[in-house]
Amino acid sequence: AQSVTQPDIHITVSEGASLELRCNYSYGATPYLFWYVQSPGQGLQLLLKYFSGDTLVQGIKGFEAEFKRSQSSFNLRKPSVHWSDAAEYFCAVGAPEYGNKLVFGAGTILRVKS
Amino acid sequence: DSGVTQTPKHLITATGQRVTLRCSPRSGDLSVYWYQQSLDQGLQFLIQYYNGEERAKGNILERFSAQQFPDLHSELNLSSLELGDSALYFCASSAGGSQGSPLHFGNGTRLTVT
Repeated sequence: AQSVTQPDIHITVSEGASLELRCNYSYGATPYLFWYVQSPGQGLQLLLKYFSGDTLVQGIKGFEAEFKRSQSSFNLRKPSVHWSDAAEYFCAVGAPEYGNKLVFGAGTILRVKS
Repeated sequence: DSGVTQTPKHLITATGQRVTLRCSPRSGDLSVYWYQQSLDQGLQFLIQYYNGEERAKGNILERFSAQQFPDLHSELNLSSLELGDSALYFCASSAGGSQGSPLHFGNGTRLTVT
C-alpha cells in the first residue's frame, strides 16, 4: 500500500534561518506530489505541487521543493523563515493506480523562535 | 479564502446521535472530498464525489454516508456517533476528478461527541 512519511513531528528554527522539511513516499512510479500548510483553526492551503518536468518547483510564500526519484523524496525548503511560517505542514501523494485520493503524511509542526 | 464553505464550524453532540455536515465547493469545482483529521489517525480520506456520483471511497465507516446534490454541494451524515468520532472533518473541492487536481480545503467542522 502507498505510504507517505514525514519523519519529523516537530521542528523548531530561528527566524531568518533556513528550513527543510522531509517527505518520503513509497510508490512504484512517479506520483503526483503536494505540500500543504495548515495554520491553527484553518483548513489546508496548497503550497506547491509536482507532476512532472523540472524537479525543483516553486510555490507560494517563498517555499520550494525538490523531487528526487532515487530517494523517493520531496523535501520542502525555505531559505529564510518568518515567524508567520509557524504552522503544520503536510506532504501528500496521489497516484493513478491508487484511485482518486490523496494520501497525506502525518504532518510536521514548525515552530519559529525569535 | 479557499472558496470552500463548511457548516457548521463546531458541533457538540452526544453518543448515539446523528449529525449532518455541509459543504459548498468552490465555484466551478465538480469534485468534493471528505477527510477526517484526528490526533491519532492524522488526515484520513473518507470519500469523493464527482458531479453527483461517488468516485472513490476510503476509510469511511458504514455508519457514515455522504452525497453530492445537483447544485454540487455535499453533505456528510454521521450516525450512531461514538466518542471516537470526535475529530475535525474537512471538505475539499477540485476542478477535476483525478488525484492530479489540487484540492482546496474548507476550514473544517469540529465535531465533539460527549
